[in-house]
Amino acid sequence: GAVVSQHPSRVICKSGTSVKIECRSLDFQATTMFWYRQFPKQSLMLMATSNEGSKATYEQGVEKDKFLINHASLTLSTLTVTSAHPEDSSFYICSADRMNTEAFFGQGTRLTVV
Amino acid sequence: KNQVEQSPQSLIILEGKNCTLQCNYTVSPFSNLRWYKQDTGRGPVSLTIMTFSENTKSNGRYTATLDADTKQSSLHITASQLSDSASYSCQGSYIPTFGRGTSLIVHP
Repeated sequence: GAVVSQHPSRVICKSGTSVKIECRSLDFQATTMFWYRQFPKQSLMLMATSNEGSKATYEQGVEKDKFLINHASLTLSTLTVTSAHPEDSSFYICSADRMNTEAFFGQGTRLTVV
Repeated sequence: KNQVEQSPQSLIILEGKNCTLQCNYTVSPFSNLRWYKQDTGRGPVSLTIMTFSENTKSNGRYTATLDADTKQSSLHITASQLSDSASYSCQGSYIPTFGRGTSLIVHP
């Protein structure tokens, strides 16, 4: 089956620094990728839809200047959490859409801001 | 925006038993109906995908049904195993937004 690789799986950073998370579709081209955030015991919350070659579409309440998304190629999207704070600690997951029929999810990134 | 309601919110069963999870949806436009399983601390994994014209789809011990008239879907798990303990979500939209899902716990 299709594989989506997300890196890193875990990251600990100091408050005020920035963290970049990569999402790669390994065996298919993804014109659309999605970024989610999940807090403990809660459902996945869609943050933004990332389209190759254009600006991402952010969900209401998600700060686009804080969560920078770049989708420069058909196989790579990145999420940068800028000036991270402890409240940004969460589980971040990406998914890549294949031919508008199915989304494949990465393994997730556990971000801890100290 | 699509609306998806799942029931029950949580379910506890004994290992080896069967169970059925329900999903009611209202989507516009309808893409396909998908069921996902998410283990704690992992990304969701696709279990089944059904197009509008399909009524049932199986994947091992998982069988999904779809009634397009009533906009209902179910996921039946046969002979449950401890590894089935997870959160299960159904999606009926092109953009996979997630609701609460059903938390399943399988006890030995």
